[in-house]
Amino acid sequence: EAQVTQNPRYLITVTGKKLTVTCSQNMNHEYMSWYRQDPGLGLRQIYYSMNVEVTDKGDVPEGYKVSRKEKRNFPLILESPSPNQTSLYFCASSLMGRTDGYTFGSGTRLTVV
Amino acid sequence: ELKVEQNPLFLSMQEGKNYTIYCNYSTTSDRLYWYRQDPGKSLESLFVLLSNGAVKQEGRLMASLDTKARLSTLHITAAVHDLSATYFCAVDMRWDYGGSQGNLIFGKGTKLSVKP
Repeated sequence: EAQVTQNPRYLITVTGKKLTVTCSQNMNHEYMSWYRQDPGLGLRQIYYSMNVEVTDKGDVPEGYKVSRKEKRNFPLILESPSPNQTSLYFCASSLMGRTDGYTFGSGTRLTVV
Repeated sequence: ELKVEQNPLFLSMQEGKNYTIYCNYSTTSDRLYWYRQDPGKSLESLFVLLSNGAVKQEGRLMASLDTKARLSTLHITAAVHDLSATYFCAVDMRWDYGGSQGNLIFGKGTKLSVKP
């Protein structure tokens, strides 16, 4: 089944403890991106990648890192999480060029205390 | 800066009624998507609109795109309770002006509640 898989689905952590949210897609998509969703603010892009070893900042990159060492994986790294990073996170992927759109993962609900 | 504005943000409808959700955006793009999100769930793709004049229909939902007016609409016909969800439009900026901006800009969403 074609899908974008995020892990974990739920995570509660403490301020300053490094964490990684994984994202993997099995559709051979070149493009992958991360979004966070907050009440009243909608979905905002954090980082995106157009292919292996090519990443760029979205609208709200502060406090986040990403890497794209393989085409299928695009992990989101929070080196020192803070409470304002408590949010619902989504990974998405798509083909470059004319596209059928984006496929979203199931989401990761992160709480930083 | 691209802005995507949806209205209304909240919509309470009675079953059987018709209504339209509007999505305005502030710069040129010929790629627009509509998504549905149920509470606590992921985004489900509803429509992909890739050119001016595109119209797509699925069940009680119909989406259209007017790139000259920078406007997309999502029309709901004879609403039923199962359509209750939040609906997002999103404009794809990756190919604007031939550049690769790599950005999908979302509207804030329309929370639809269909009541008996």
